[in-house]
Amino acid sequence: GAVVSQHPSWVICKSGTSVKIECRSLDFQATTMFWYRQFPKQSLMLMATSNEGSKATYEQGVEKDKFLINHASLTLSTLTVTSAHPEDSSFYICSGRGDGNSPLHFGNGTRLTVT
Amino acid sequence: AQSVTQPDIHITVSEGASLELRCNYSYGATPYLFWYVQSPGQGLQLLLKYFSGDTLVQGIKGFEAEFKRSQSSFNLRKPSVHWSDAAEYFCAAPMDSNYQLIWGAGTKLIIKP
Repeated sequence: GAVVSQHPSWVICKSGTSVKIECRSLDFQATTMFWYRQFPKQSLMLMATSNEGSKATYEQGVEKDKFLINHASLTLSTLTVTSAHPEDSSFYICSGRGDGNSPLHFGNGTRLTVT
Repeated sequence: AQSVTQPDIHITVSEGASLELRCNYSYGATPYLFWYVQSPGQGLQLLLKYFSGDTLVQGIKGFEAEFKRSQSSFNLRKPSVHWSDAAEYFCAAPMDSNYQLIWGAGTKLIIKP
């Protein structure tokens, strides 16, 4: 089946640094990518939706200057957490799909710890 | 290994008919269980969740789910579907106690007029 490869799976960084998370669709063209954030024992929170070649659409309350999303190709989307702080520590997960009728495929997630 | 299974890839029901979407899990401890819905062009939305307590959980949009430990199931139900319920539904359970979710493959719900 289709695969979304998300890297890194775990990252620890110092406060004030930036971290980039990559999601690659390995065997399909991801027209749309979704980025989520998950807190312990909580549901996923949609952060933004990106369509290839377009600017991402951010959900209310998500700082677009802090969480930079790039979707420059049909197989790669990136989320950069800029000037990370401990409160950004969380689990980030991406999902992608081709056209509107194709299945949604999830990355395995990235656990970010900011010290 | 822990797993979440949604055996039905597609389900078609008539508008106004009742709905049950199946979800089975394989998990050592009492699981946390979630049902999400993804409508076309939208992100995932949480329908309901089970952590503990009452095994019949009420969610948004008229959905409910029942946790049955003996059957390792957490099936989603709605007594009468509406055309707007056409979407993709995902069952999920955490891989560990806090974070990463294991996802079912999803069930696409098609509503016949």
